[in-house]
Amino acid sequence: NAGVTQTPKFRVLKTGQSMTLLCAQDMNHEYMYWYRQDPGMGLRLIHYSVGEGTTAKGEVPDGYNVSRLKKQNFLLGLESAAPSQTSVYFCASKLAGVSPYEQYFGPGTRLTVT
Amino acid sequence: GEDVEQSLFLSVREGDSSVINCTYTDSSSTYLYWYKQEPGAGLQLLTYIFSNMDMKQDQRLTVLLNKKDKHLSLRIADTQTGDSAIYFCAERDSGNTGKLIFGQGTTLQVKP
Repeated sequence: NAGVTQTPKFRVLKTGQSMTLLCAQDMNHEYMYWYRQDPGMGLRLIHYSVGEGTTAKGEVPDGYNVSRLKKQNFLLGLESAAPSQTSVYFCASKLAGVSPYEQYFGPGTRLTVT
Repeated sequence: GEDVEQSLFLSVREGDSSVINCTYTDSSSTYLYWYKQEPGAGLQLLTYIFSNMDMKQDQRLTVLLNKKDKHLSLRIADTQTGDSAIYFCAERDSGNTGKLIFGQGTTLQVKP
């Protein structure tokens, strides 16, 4: 199993450009999440999904959109990138349910917006 | 709203014990987690504790939970240089979405 993979690993964008980050998991997990990590601020939830075809806003959703057309994939889009979106982006997935199923994290995408 | 707080930095000598502290606000959290992040990598689960437990031990790791004070700690015995990393405390959202609220992360520096 590859676990959770993220594409690309690094990207540099100019202000106003758009891009899509891809997250894929092969563990048949129902729930998927997108976080951003900034120094001194921990991880903050951008959007999440509890199943194919469903998405919901997290703590910091502005400037981002997501789609979950297939169970194994969760896409994060930036329509018009801004320097404030320079960050490291992590995707995670987990099984559904109330048990303490852990979230499995991808290796991250480092995005710089100039 | 829910909030999780950690100190940002801890430095210890190899062989000493490390204690990383965390406070949280949501008294209805069912599970609390400790994740480890090594440089340039994603987060990996170290351990978790159910909210009705006071302590959990797993090899060199000891987790203590004080529900009254909403205080969580992670003790690493015999700290090694390979333990140098960022440690995140997280509480699980009380809803059924599995969302986690993370602290800022504590950078542990282990000096030889």
